[in-house]
Amino acid sequence: SQQGEEDPQALSIQEGENATMNCSYKTSINNLQWYRQNSGRGLVHLILIRSNEREKHSGRLRVTLDTSKKSSSLLITASRAADTASYFCATGTGANSKLTFGKGITLSVRP
Amino acid sequence: ETGVTQTPRHLVMGMTNKKSLKCEQHLGHNAMYWYKQSAKKPLELMFVYSLEERVENNSVPSRFSPECPNSSHLFLHLHTLQPEDSALYLCASSQDSFGNSNQPQHFGDGTRLSIL
Repeated sequence: SQQGEEDPQALSIQEGENATMNCSYKTSINNLQWYRQNSGRGLVHLILIRSNEREKHSGRLRVTLDTSKKSSSLLITASRAADTASYFCATGTGANSKLTFGKGITLSVRP
Repeated sequence: ETGVTQTPRHLVMGMTNKKSLKCEQHLGHNAMYWYKQSAKKPLELMFVYSLEERVENNSVPSRFSPECPNSSHLFLHLHTLQPEDSALYLCASSQDSFGNSNQPQHFGDGTRLSIL
């Protein structure tokens, strides 16, 4: 089974609402990263949070990390139609490990 | 513009053809990666190059052959592919010297490959 699993698999919200996406993982990590992928494009890095950090912000994005629960959440505030995309979490389990990606969450923001 | 350019964007080939995918990064990064993205599946890491040396080969069939002539360019040579190889192939680069997970990765827009 995979290391990182996002939840829900799909999310549909109205423009202006907040979107919360979750990622759970199985083994200890040294960092967790969130990426966005627009249709027909590559992945774009959003935020990297290290295992000794609990929360990070970037513009309308807020990422939290709870290592005791082995979970992370990505919050997008005041969503816009342009936020419509797939969102992936990726985990690094050690200094010499490679990134492992989840299957992704499809977010649809209705105008 | 992500700083990572992949060509071609779309490729249709027969199972007996030979073709190559190209990736170029303009970010001065040390590590480059090939990933396969199929519908409903997690991103699959195929190959990792660090400072032009291959450091990871994730049990990829020999019909996929990578080449890294310098730190800015990465190729994926394809021959006698199977229909299940149809997917989006993504190239990425990062500052991490050993191609590990400690730095963000920068992705190209991929090559959509269809095998007839």
